[in-house]
Amino acid sequence: AQSVTQPDIHITVSEGASLELRCNYSYGATPYLFWYVQSPGQGLQLLLKYFSGDTLVQGIKGFEAEFKRSQSSFNLRKPSVHWSDAAEYFCAVGAGGYQKVTFGTGTKLQVIP
Amino acid sequence: GAGVSQSPSNKVTEKGKDVELRCDPISGHTALYWYRQSLGQGLEFLIYFQGNSAPDKSGLPSDRFSAERTGGSVSTLTIQRTQQEDSAVYLCASSPGLAASTDTQYFGPGTRLTVL
Repeated sequence: AQSVTQPDIHITVSEGASLELRCNYSYGATPYLFWYVQSPGQGLQLLLKYFSGDTLVQGIKGFEAEFKRSQSSFNLRKPSVHWSDAAEYFCAVGAGGYQKVTFGTGTKLQVIP
Repeated sequence: GAGVSQSPSNKVTEKGKDVELRCDPISGHTALYWYRQSLGQGLEFLIYFQGNSAPDKSGLPSDRFSAERTGGSVSTLTIQRTQQEDSAVYLCASSPGLAASTDTQYFGPGTRLTVL
């Protein structure tokens, strides 16, 4: 069965600084990978997803993620963080077909002025 | 169009009582998912529906938890004899249903359950 680890529970960055949120997955074949964001008081929203092809994926709100098979990672990045990016971010992995998607425990991002 | 809706938004109940949580998916979405979000626990998968059947209910924590979906639309999650450890936010999501593990899931706002 697939699994996903988000090693950082809480990250604080200054507004305008770059951001990288870590995600490591465990799955024997090519995984299907997602990043979702949960803003305060709002439901989860998809940022981006990776299935195949180009390993650098662009998403909404200026986010991108890079799939690195050798490191079993799918880290989320943003060059310059805005105060509105403060939220909780969830990485998720799917195994294909009619199987469930497994979510990580989330990383809470705090942005300081 | 309308997104996923859940009701009630908040539910406070006494230990031992039964509760029903409702989810209205996006119209036309054939897949529906229930998750539980507890503090520090991330999203815990509970059950997944494809149409009215549940190919995967492996995440239901005990036989006190059950879910059904009727007409390929509305779903109800029932928790019997609630316990304090059931306190959490229960999230529902739906997707077009082409393939559960590749679909984008659209989440509702959740139901916050508090068991006293």
